[in-house]
Amino acid sequence: DVKVTQSSRYLVKRTGEKVFLECVQDMDHENMFWYRQDPGLGLRLIYFSYDVKMKEKGDIPEGYSVSREKKERFSLILESASTNQTSMYLCASSSPPQNTEAFFGQGTRLTVV
Amino acid sequence: GDSVTQMEGPVTLSEEAFLTINCTYTATGYPSLFWYVQYPGEGLQLLLKATKADDKGSNKGFEATYRKETTSFHLEKGSVQVSDSAVYFCALFPWSSNTGKLIFGQGTTLQVKP
Repeated sequence: DVKVTQSSRYLVKRTGEKVFLECVQDMDHENMFWYRQDPGLGLRLIYFSYDVKMKEKGDIPEGYSVSREKKERFSLILESASTNQTSMYLCASSSPPQNTEAFFGQGTRLTVV
Repeated sequence: GDSVTQMEGPVTLSEEAFLTINCTYTATGYPSLFWYVQYPGEGLQLLLKATKADDKGSNKGFEATYRKETTSFHLEKGSVQVSDSAVYFCALFPWSSNTGKLIFGQGTTLQVKP
């Protein structure tokens, strides 16, 4: 069974902390994505990566960075967490041809206090 | 730029009612269109897709037809069940994209009551 696994289901962090969200996929996919999900706004792309060590900004990259040192792992980093980064974070992966299915992790609900 | 617009929710239906969730898109060329579903406490999973005009995607009793003339991809089901309660996302893969990046609508929450 194909799998995208996010390291935590729930996280509570303090304002100003550096936060790491980890995502691992076991499908040998080239593409990996980090989305943020907020009510009424749907899914918004933060960053994506189409190969190891390659990354591109999505629609809302401010306040975030990413790391992809290995093909199966894609990390989202909040350099200095703020309360407006409280949200549900979803990781996804896919592989060419590019219009095939994207597989999603179960999500990490992050609360910044 | 390309975009997806879904009907606002929540949609509340009784069991066995007919479901329509509207989705329209703005895009150049011939995008691929998808419906994803998110059950409570879970990530998104693909429900159905269509890759060219007039294609009909179907799965688990749900259907959607790719209508290029009206730029729409409405989701329908003839008889909903309580287990269909979830958030439904319409999504688009741009025709000219080479990165696999999907564009999502804002999501529509469906609640089915017994």
